[in-house]
Formats: sequence, structure tokens, C-alpha cells
Amino acid sequence: GQQLNQSPQSMFIQEGEDVSMNCTSSSIFNTWLWYKQDPGEGPVLLIALYKAGELTSNGRLTAQFGITRKDSFLNISASIPSDVGIYFCAGTALYNQGGKLIFGQGTELSVKP
Amino acid sequence: DTEVTQTPKHLVMGMTNKKSLKCEQHMGHRAMYWYKQKAKKPPELMFVYSYEKLSINESVPSRFSPECPNSSLLNLHLHALQPEDSALYLCASSQAFRINQPQHFGDGTRLSIL
Repeated sequence: GQQLNQSPQSMFIQEGEDVSMNCTSSSIFNTWLWYKQDPGEGPVLLIALYKAGELTSNGRLTAQFGITRKDSFLNISASIPSDVGIYFCAGTALYNQGGKLIFGQGTELSVKP
Repeated sequence: DTEVTQTPKHLVMGMTNKKSLKCEQHMGHRAMYWYKQKAKKPPELMFVYSYEKLSINESVPSRFSPECPNSSLLNLHLHALQPEDSALYLCASSQAFRINQPQHFGDGTRLSIL
């Protein structure tokens, strides 16, 4: 089935550094979502994107819906220890049934104080 | 704090037991979902309910039986589970089962099968 390619798989950074991760698809997507999951908790929605080219911020987080509609990136500026967790991209593909989400494999972020 | 509430938070059961997972949301959402998640992997869709009717069953074994008693509640009945069914079970909801309606997740039930 359809998969999203999310990279990198893991990142080890120093507190204060900026972070960038992205997702790509071979098919056109009409929604891109970014979630963060902490250990023992469910994924929390960070940013939702609905239009090609859309750039949206949520505090230190910024995400963009790629112009080709086949990719999206998430940037985190000035990372802090509580940014640690697994970040998942997800989206709905043009050919999909309704709101069925396809997930990337996740980016595990570790922040060293 | 999540607006999708799941109980119990942890569940340990034997392979012959019958148990149920519960999910509740009071956001007026009309679509609800069950996902299974293994450690450090993305959630895998199991079932979708739209307006209290089963809309999608992702070829889930019959030992998992979903139920949607009303628009706020979603249950997952478990019977004769296997050790490989041990996982985090997540419930999610969205305004509707449509492309521009993001899903919001609960914190899950950690299920262990002995």
C-alpha cells in the first residue's frame, strides 16, 4: 500500500539547535498533518496543512505543504529538552477513502541539554 | 490534556479472557477510529466509524469486535487474543470522516496478552 517516506529516522541534537524533518510521497496528498508522540501517550496534533504552498507556524514549529503536493517539512527552532519524542507526518492521499490517514515511519528526536 | 478519553490505561489479560476497551469524546465528532500501535512504529488503522456506522474494517481478525453505542462512545471488545496482539490501542476522533478533518487521539490502552 501507499507509504510515506519520512526522514531522518532519528536525530540527536544539542539543546538550542534547529531541527528539520520531512515526508515525501509518490502520490498527491490533499492534507498533511504533523503529530508528536511522547512515551506512554497518544499522538498530539501539532500542525495541519490543507493547501499546496501553505506555511503554518505553531510557536517554535513551522510546517509547509509542498508545492508539488507530494511532500511536507517540519522545522523546530531553538530546540529544548521537552521537544524529545517521536514526530509522525500523516496525510490523506487524493485516491484515499475519505479521511483515511497514511503515516510516515516517524522521526525520533533526542535533545541533549 | 487529551479530549479523547480511553479506559483502562493498562490491561493485562490471558488468551482466554474477554475484555473491552472504551473510548469517549465530547467534541461532537461524528467519526471515530481504532488504531493499533507497536513500539516506535506508526499507528495502524483497524476500524472507522462514521455517524455510528462501521465504515472501514481493515481486515482485522474477528477476535477484535468494535461497537459504537452512540456518537460519543466507541468500544473494542476483545476475545481469545494472541500474544502478538500486545500493543498500544489508540482511539481517535474527527469532526467527520473527510480529508480536511484532522484526527485527535486519546492516550491509548496499553494491552499485554499473557
